[in-house]
Amino acid sequence: NAGVMQNPRHLVRRRGQEARLRCSPMKGHSHVYWYRQLPEEGLKFMVYLQKENIIDESGMPKERFSAEFPKEGPSILRIQQVVRGDSAAYFCASSPPSDRKQFFGPGTRLTVL
Amino acid sequence: GIQVEQSPPDLILQEGANSTLRCNFSDSVNNLQWFHQNPWGQLINLFYIPSGTKQNGRLSATTVATERYSLLYISSSQTTDSGVYFCAVERIGFQKLVFGTGTRLLVSP
Repeated sequence: NAGVMQNPRHLVRRRGQEARLRCSPMKGHSHVYWYRQLPEEGLKFMVYLQKENIIDESGMPKERFSAEFPKEGPSILRIQQVVRGDSAAYFCASSPPSDRKQFFGPGTRLTVL
Repeated sequence: GIQVEQSPPDLILQEGANSTLRCNFSDSVNNLQWFHQNPWGQLINLFYIPSGTKQNGRLSATTVATERYSLLYISSSQTTDSGVYFCAVERIGFQKLVFGTGTRLLVSP
């Protein structure tokens, strides 16, 4: 059973470009969470999704950030018009419907030049 | 929101030594997990332990939910134990993990 998959592992963007981060949850997991880790800090919750639904987006910046988890395919975290302050590691986690334990992917390290 | 504090913030050990890491939280929780973030940045689940005691090899963890703290014990530490240890909790009624400030551990040979 493959773990949580994230791609790309590293992403470099110039200011003003768009970044798309993908997350494939573990098989049988229908809950997906995105977290952001700034350098030398802990992880901060961004958004919690179930298939085709955003359940809690209280940690998402109000502008430029969006997330989706379609019926088919991976969850996508999209950052429009990136700025240097968006440089961070973005982690995805998944959990099954019946359990609260979250399993984390390897992360995507975004660098904005 | 819930506060999660970890101590000590930094810890340096000689290989073979034992250590105890502490996590205090300010509200009732229904999920508590311990993670190890290795020097390459990867987060590794150590324990899912909302209450009670669990052991896994040289590591064990205890959570006393009524007193709002959890402890992670590392015995016979090895250099590969180096990294940052995070405690993360999920407040009752909220399905999101709130991470503590972390304990940075360095085990020297």
